[in-house]
Amino acid sequence: AIRITQSPSSLSASTGDRVTITCRASQGISSYLAWYQQKPGKAPKLLIYAASTLQSGVPSRFSGSGSGTDFTLTISCLQSEDFATYYCQQYYSYPQLTFGGGTKVEIK
Amino acid sequence: QITLKESGPTLVKPTQTLTLTCTFSGFSLSTSGVGVGWIRQPPGKALEWLALIYWNDDKRYSPSLKSRLTITKDTSKNQVVLTMTNMDPVDTATYYCAHRLRGDDSFDYWGQGTLVTVSS
Repeated sequence: AIRITQSPSSLSASTGDRVTITCRASQGISSYLAWYQQKPGKAPKLLIYAASTLQSGVPSRFSGSGSGTDFTLTISCLQSEDFATYYCQQYYSYPQLTFGGGTKVEIK
Repeated sequence: QITLKESGPTLVKPTQTLTLTCTFSGFSLSTSGVGVGWIRQPPGKALEWLALIYWNDDKRYSPSLKSRLTITKDTSKNQVVLTMTNMDPVDTATYYCAHRLRGDDSFDYWGQGTLVTVSS
């Protein structure tokens, strides 16, 4: 089974900061990776799919990159509404879909 | 406008079978490329994918839970049903259903989730 390691598990940042979150797959998954944002008590929201495609309606300060085993979600200029937990998800491995452990972005 | 909503018991006893229903609108599960998945999240923990059913009735299950899960669809009612047998307190979680992004196995629309507690 493909394992997904997401790092860091948490980070503190200030509004306006550039934030980078990483997901590493235990084997190559091409570009079959998505990123989600989840706020407390709410369902996850799809931000990026196919590693780098921005979902409709998502602000352009969010971007994704990577392929193979190493992937990155970048928030170019952190806004107050971006404080949340972020998850990656791989969907290369049949039949298993796997989520990362999450990264909580907190206010410094 | 796509919406999904989960329904089912909020409390089940250990060893019982959980049946959850996802009722959706704004799309049809008979349309090529469409799928609905189930994902759960124990309190304070990460997301865990459970199962996914496609328009052609193909089904995918989490290997670690496959023996306990069954996913079915009722296209006429716009519903997807997930059953999980032999419930245990560790299965306490918020259970979400979600719409598969067409051409992709990420999830672009999610229900609000339903908290299921397993306790005697």
